Amino acid sequence: GQQLNQSPQSMFIQEGEDVSMNCTSSSIFNTWLWYKQEPGEGPVLLIALYKAGELTSNGRLTAQFGITRKDSFLNISASIPSDVGIYFCAGQLRSSGSARQLTFGSGTQLTVLP
Amino acid sequence: ETGVTQTPRHLVMGMTNKKSLKCEQHLGHNAMYWYKQSAKKPLELMFVYSLEERVENNSVPSRFSPECPNSSHLFLHLHTLQPEDSALYLCASSQDYSLDYGNTIYFGEGSWLTVV
Repeated sequence: GQQLNQSPQSMFIQEGEDVSMNCTSSSIFNTWLWYKQEPGEGPVLLIALYKAGELTSNGRLTAQFGITRKDSFLNISASIPSDVGIYFCAGQLRSSGSARQLTFGSGTQLTVLP
Repeated sequence: ETGVTQTPRHLVMGMTNKKSLKCEQHLGHNAMYWYKQSAKKPLELMFVYSLEERVENNSVPSRFSPECPNSSHLFLHLHTLQPEDSALYLCASSQDYSLDYGNTIYFGEGSWLTVV
């Protein structure tokens, strides 16, 4: 099946710094999703990307759908303590119409140091 | 608050016990899902229901038994589990089973299961 390589696995950054994480795949996806999961909670959708090359922002978060459709990145600007959590990417094959084709990365654990 | 509510939030059970996880969605969605989340592994899709009918079963052991009595409720019945089944079990829903443009998955907060 498809696999997503998400990197880095973990990050320790100072408050105020910018953060960048990415996901790559050997397969093409039609949709890229980015989720955040805080301790003890379920994943919450941050950004959805539907077209190759699309750049979308949600507050201090910006995500891009790679031109090759095999990768996506998420940037967080001016990090704050509440950005702590695990960030997951997910690739979706829309044409298949099946949740089976929603493939998740292993997550990036973000720690923001004061 | 995502509109998907799971109970209990935490469950400890012995290997011979029978217990159930419950999920309720208040979003008017037609599809509901069970995912398993283990440490440092990607989310694993277990079951999918669309309009109360099971449409996917991803080679999940029979000790996990789902039930969907209506489009708003989903259960996961647990019986003779193993310690390696300890994980966070996430319920999710989407407007429709076909994950098209603008139709994506919303997760509940999860049920932490520990099998002793």
